[in-house]
Amino acid sequence: GGIITQTPKFLIGQEGQKLTLKCQQNFNHDTMYWYRQDSGKGLRLIYYSITENDLQKGDLSEGYDASREKKSSFSLTVTSAQKNEMAVFLCASSIRQNSDYTFGSGTRLLVI
Amino acid sequence: GQQVQQSPASLVLQEGENAELQCNFSSTATRLQWFYQHPGGRLVSLFYNPSGTKHTGRLTSTTVTNERRSSLHISSSQTTDSGTYFCAIVGGSNYKLTFGKGTLLTVTP
Repeated sequence: GGIITQTPKFLIGQEGQKLTLKCQQNFNHDTMYWYRQDSGKGLRLIYYSITENDLQKGDLSEGYDASREKKSSFSLTVTSAQKNEMAVFLCASSIRQNSDYTFGSGTRLLVI
Repeated sequence: GQQVQQSPASLVLQEGENAELQCNFSSTATRLQWFYQHPGGRLVSLFYNPSGTKHTGRLTSTTVTNERRSSLHISSSQTTDSGTYFCAIVGGSNYKLTFGKGTLLTVTP
């Protein structure tokens, strides 16, 4: 079976810092996603990518950049970390846009 | 935009009791998924169920598409069922999966 790996698992940043989160999958899935999970707010879509070099904005793209340089990896950059920000960032992939998702275990971000 | 409402927000059961989790959504869903998240863990897909009834083990998902609702039934709950259950939909031509806020289930021994 395949696996979807997020690195790092924990990320502590400073206010104003640019932070990059990485996601790798070996399912050979076409579509990849980045979600943000805040306590009590469910998951919100930041960016997604239908295929290599494609980027689509989600509902929460402001303050983030993304990069899909190859099919197996999808990176997310927090362009300027906000003080006291605390959230979990979840990466997911699917064969195509309207099929079952597989999630990674998440990156937990804390900004001090 | 699309909205997904889950109820209850939290639920506490004794081991052996049954649980019924509800999901209501604002637009016709072309796709509906139920996910489970263990405390501090990844999301695991339980059901991909845009319509009808599906079973796996002690779990049953029933989606009534034209009434815009879905339910997740857990029979004979176990302490290992504790965690957060999310309902998520894709509506119309929109490819984005929209999540509800989840139901936090706690099963006590």
